[in-house]
Amino acid sequence: EPEVTQTPSHQVTQMGQEVILRCVPISNHLYFYWYRQILGQKVEFLVSFYNNEISEKSEIFDDQFSVERPDGSNFTLKIRSTKLEDSAMYFCASSEAHPKEQYFGPGTRLTVT
Amino acid sequence: AQTVTQSQPEMSVQEAETVTLSCTYDTSESNYYLFWYKQPPSRQMILVIRQEAYKQQNATENRFSVNFQKAAKSFSLKISDSQLGDTAMYFCASLDYGQNFVFGPGTRLSVLP
Repeated sequence: EPEVTQTPSHQVTQMGQEVILRCVPISNHLYFYWYRQILGQKVEFLVSFYNNEISEKSEIFDDQFSVERPDGSNFTLKIRSTKLEDSAMYFCASSEAHPKEQYFGPGTRLTVT
Repeated sequence: AQTVTQSQPEMSVQEAETVTLSCTYDTSESNYYLFWYKQPPSRQMILVIRQEAYKQQNATENRFSVNFQKAAKSFSLKISDSQLGDTAMYFCASLDYGQNFVFGPGTRLSVLP
């Protein structure tokens, strides 16, 4: 069964550093998403992406964040200058249409020290 | 704006028994989707069941079923014959047309041997 994959599973970085989180969505899906879950809190929407552009973003997704689909398979989330409060689990998701159920990757745990 | 409420932060159930998790939501849309996602200790988000608001019939997936009360904006999840592997956080989520996922705060379910 096809699934969304994410790398790395855990990333530790120092405050102020740039990080890139990578995702490979399900191959025939057209809509891609990033979510964040701070430990012990609910999952929060960050951004949605379709047809090589951002279709919607939340207030959390400020100028420090960017997304890109550099090739036909990868979907990345870049945080330019990490802050302590960026420490969270980051989930990538994809769906074949919108609105439809979204399939989540296993997440990347980002720890900013 | 969409909101999703889960009033039970924690629940427990004996193995093989039945448990019901509550969820209420608020939306101004007439067409929308509702979902239950499961997040086990591995923290992966796994789709459990989905319901389309225009369908009156309650969705069922093996041991999982929902009680969808559209007028009351209620969407509860029933787990029958609970298994130890059902231990997880359960998130209720809504998805309006033109919007993105909104998750509830989650219910931590423990299945006791």
